[in-house]
Amino acid sequence: DQQVKQNSPSLSVQEGRISILNCDYTNSMFDYFLWYKKYPAEGPTFLISISSIKDKNEDGRFTVFLNKSAKHLSLHIVPSQPGDSAVYFCAASVLNQGGKLIFGQGTELSVKP
Amino acid sequence: DTEVTQTPKHLVMGMTNKKSLKCEQHMGHRAMYWYKQKAKKPPELMFVYSYEKLSINESVPSRFSPECPNSSLLNLHLHALQPEDSALYLCASSPGGWTSGRSAIYNEQFFGPGTRLTVL
Repeated sequence: DQQVKQNSPSLSVQEGRISILNCDYTNSMFDYFLWYKKYPAEGPTFLISISSIKDKNEDGRFTVFLNKSAKHLSLHIVPSQPGDSAVYFCAASVLNQGGKLIFGQGTELSVKP
Repeated sequence: DTEVTQTPKHLVMGMTNKKSLKCEQHMGHRAMYWYKQKAKKPPELMFVYSYEKLSINESVPSRFSPECPNSSLLNLHLHALQPEDSALYLCASSPGGWTSGRSAIYNEQFFGPGTRLTVL
């Protein structure tokens, strides 16, 4: 049972345009969501997070939107840069259940110059 | 110091060997984690230590044995592994910890670079 799903394995975007990465979840108990970026042969790098009491969180070029009724979150990167090319994982957790993160399968973003 | 370090970077071992992976953080984080990641797959949680006590074991086989000697250090002892255990082993830490069912306020986990393990 895959509780966190990223249905697009890959996404290609032109430099300077917006990248939108999507993530769906099934467990309504999740109350904290995170996005990570991963380069090959490196550990995931934390990007941005959002609590379920909010519907938007912004940090520089990165904005995460949460739609609780649809059990959907998205990461917007604008403007996209070639250095953003990586695999992006969304992750979800229940804060009072000891720190377990459930990751989606990842979306490979390619930003072309 | 704002990073999680892991040693060794690469490890090749036979099925009868005993080896250990080491993870260190000096950010004062109170929770530390071991994850396993296979190629083209997301990280999968193995163990969580909170305030130096094991709080989650995701039904990991006993050939993997975690140890948390102090709040900055986390080890993963390996013995009699199988070739299918070959993977990237990731360590992470987070500022909050969990005691007696109380939750941390945030759960941003910061990952190390990983140890690439090959079991022959």
